[in-house]
Amino acid sequence: DAKTTQPNSMESNEEEPVHLPCNHSTISGTDYIHWYRQLPSQGPEYVIHGLTSNVNNRMASLAIAEDRKSSTLILHRATLRDAAVYYCILSHYSSNDYKLSFGAGTTVTVRA
Amino acid sequence: DGGITQSPKYLFRKEGQNVTLSCEQNLNHDAMYWYRQDPGQGLRLIYYSQIVNDFQKGDIAEGYSVSREKKESFPLTVTSAQKNPTAFYLCASSIAGASGTQYFGPGTRLLVL
Repeated sequence: DAKTTQPNSMESNEEEPVHLPCNHSTISGTDYIHWYRQLPSQGPEYVIHGLTSNVNNRMASLAIAEDRKSSTLILHRATLRDAAVYYCILSHYSSNDYKLSFGAGTTVTVRA
Repeated sequence: DGGITQSPKYLFRKEGQNVTLSCEQNLNHDAMYWYRQDPGQGLRLIYYSQIVNDFQKGDIAEGYSVSREKKESFPLTVTSAQKNPTAFYLCASSIAGASGTQYFGPGTRLLVL
């Protein structure tokens, strides 16, 4: 199964960008890269996902390396509400052989 | 409002007892999932279902059972065989396929008396 590796924690100042790396060196060609974030005692919230090309939405940007072995979630201007645990997830679907690989997550702290 | 609901929010289990956690969605999603989260840890997949009347074991299915008789519902039973059931349980749903965004419920916290 493809696995992901993330740093345990990152700190940022409010209004500054945050770059969250994720390594997935064993990713297969059909694996999607998803990012979710989770606040304490709440269910995870979808942030962004992509396959090969960089992606942007109102919450963040996802930069995917050309060889797809790593990706970076970019929060352009961190706010206090962005403090959460961020998970990098690979999803693979083939017939009934559905596999999910969760990273351990990166705890993001935002300083006011 | 469309969404995914879980009940109860807190559940207490006595030793040797089976308990069932409810998960309902009105998003018309084909796929549903159950995860377990221990304190300070990430999510681990228990069971998932891509379609009604079909489900697959995840990474930690032992001691758990599920059913998928309706598209909207995917209940999880924590059996007495699960010796360490205290955890935060999360249900999610998505369209079928790897690109499907998963929408999570608010979770059920299970505690053992």
